[in-house]
Amino acid sequence: GENVEQHPSTLSVQEGDSAVIKCTYSDSASNYFPWYKQELGKRPQLIIDIRSNVGEKKDQRIAVTLNKTAKHFSLHITETQPEDSAVYFCAAAHILTGGGNKLTFGTGTQLKVEL
Amino acid sequence: SQTIHQWPATLVQPVGSPLSLECTVEGTSNPNLYWYRQAAGRGLQLLFYSVGIGQISSEVPQNLSASRPQDRQFILSSKKLLLSDSGFYLCAWMRGNTEAFFGQGTRLTVV
Repeated sequence: GENVEQHPSTLSVQEGDSAVIKCTYSDSASNYFPWYKQELGKRPQLIIDIRSNVGEKKDQRIAVTLNKTAKHFSLHITETQPEDSAVYFCAAAHILTGGGNKLTFGTGTQLKVEL
Repeated sequence: SQTIHQWPATLVQPVGSPLSLECTVEGTSNPNLYWYRQAAGRGLQLLFYSVGIGQISSEVPQNLSASRPQDRQFILSSKKLLLSDSGFYLCAWMRGNTEAFFGQGTRLTVV
């Protein structure tokens, strides 16, 4: 089955700096890679996603890159702000034989943006 | 629009008691449904997923079971809870390879 590894587990940056979170996946059939942000005690919310036919995607201060050959993808947050502080999860999904799909998450990164 | 309901929001149960968490989805048909557990400060562990009525796939051996009696209903159960079953349980739905939507979560404390 799919195995998604995520690093680092905690990340502390100064406000205005950039933050980078990296993930690797094991199943070459995975073709959809979302990133979720989870604030304390709340449900995860999608912030950006990328599909396997794209190498990079950007949305304002957030960008994601994908290297299918190496099976890794990364989240980049620029000009970090205190409200970016949260736990971030990467995930990998693929279509299952017979229909349906499966979404496997990384272990999460606690990002803290300090003033 | 699609919505997902999960209840209860919090639950305190004694060891050995049964469990039933319910999740329903509105505004879509034939969704893929998932149960995840999140231990304190940890990641999202996939427990079960379902691609259709009566179809359940289990990801990890455990004390829990899942059922899908209707297209948009997904139930997580246990006959006898263990202390290690404590955690934050999240139901999610996904249609194809698109965004997954999560329920509000159930914080289960087994005492």
